[in-house]
This record gives sequence, structure tokens and C-alpha cells, in this order.
Amino acid sequence: GIQVEQSPPDLILQEGANSTLRCNFSDSVNNLQWFHQNPWGQLINLFYIPSGTKQNGRLSATTVATERYSLLYISSSQTTDSGVYFCALTGTASKLTFGTGTRLQVTL
Amino acid sequence: EAEVAQSPRYKITEKSQAVAFWCDPISGHATLYWYRQILGQGPELLVQFQDESVVDDSQLPKDRFSAERLKGVDSTLKIQPAELGDSAMYLCASSLELRGDIQYFGAGTRLSVL
Repeated sequence: GIQVEQSPPDLILQEGANSTLRCNFSDSVNNLQWFHQNPWGQLINLFYIPSGTKQNGRLSATTVATERYSLLYISSSQTTDSGVYFCALTGTASKLTFGTGTRLQVTL
Repeated sequence: EAEVAQSPRYKITEKSQAVAFWCDPISGHATLYWYRQILGQGPELLVQFQDESVVDDSQLPKDRFSAERLKGVDSTLKIQPAELGDSAMYLCASSLELRGDIQYFGAGTRLSVL
């Protein structure tokens, strides 16, 4: 099946800093989503981005499908951004395959 | 905004007992998924429905797990008997279409087996 790798595994930022999270995948994709999992376990949709670039407030994402990677940018980080960020995608199957996640901690 | 509803939010049970989780997808969503997330890992698919039909249950431990979606709307996931290793978050998701579509997740059921 499709392989998904995320980096870095852990990230500690001071409030106000910017960061880039990376997702590499092994095959062509039909669907790629970025999620934020909050401390209560809820998976919150951030972006649906099988290709191209999207922005939503302080967050933006870019997927370069031909080179098999996606990036999530967080600008001016806030403590509420803390949690785990997952990249998840589908290839020929319709089930989402999740990466191992990036655990982000934003400190004051 | 429409949401995927799950209940209960938390469940504590003893091993060898039976447990059941319920999921109500976003109205009109034909595809429903059950995922299991072990602490420190990403979610993994257990079973996928298209309407009332199972599309993929290859990762469902069928000796103890069962899932149904009788009327093609809400769904129940059952474990009988529960084992210590079943402690995890159980997440339900739904999407409008089968392939390449956005999946929306519920808040999950956190199961602890003692």
C-alpha cells in the first residue's frame, strides 16, 4: 500500500514563530487531507489538497503531486495550535492512510 | 455546520465484556468509515461502508469485531469479547462519495479495557 512519512516527528515553537511540516508519500494520490488532532482527540479538517496551494488564515498548504510531497505552513503560531498534525491520503483505494504525525507544542 | 455524531465519548469496560459504539454520519453521506487509533499512532481503517454494503473490512478482526449499517444511515461497531489490546480511540468518518472525497470525522469514542 501507499506509504506516508511526516517530518519532523516533534516540534516545539515559541508563540509567534512560523513552521513548516512536511508529508512525503510513495504513490499518486486521489485525496490528500491535513488534520489537526486536538488534545481531546478530535480530528479537525484543515485542508483538502490533492494538488495546488490553499490558504486559510494563518495556515496554508501546498501539494506537489508530481514530486509526491505536501507542506503545511503555520505562521504566527499560537498556543491553541498545539496538538498533532496528520497528513492522510488515498491512492487507488478509498481508505485514508495516515502518516505518523507531527506533534507540535507552542509555548508562551 | 453538519457533523458526524458518535456516542459514547468514553467507555470503560472489563475484558471479556461486550461493547458497542454508535455513529451517525453527515446527512446524505453515502460512505461511512470506522477507524481505530492506538495511542501515539495515526488512525487505521477497520471497515468501510458504501450505503449498507461493506466495501472493505480486511483489517477488521472478525473473530471479535462486527459492524453494521442496516439502513445505510447510522452504524454500530461492536466488540465481543473485549481484550486489553482493544483500548484505543474509535473514530467514525463519512464522505459524500466513495473515492477522492473529503472525509469528515466525529469526536471519537475512547475505549479503556481493564
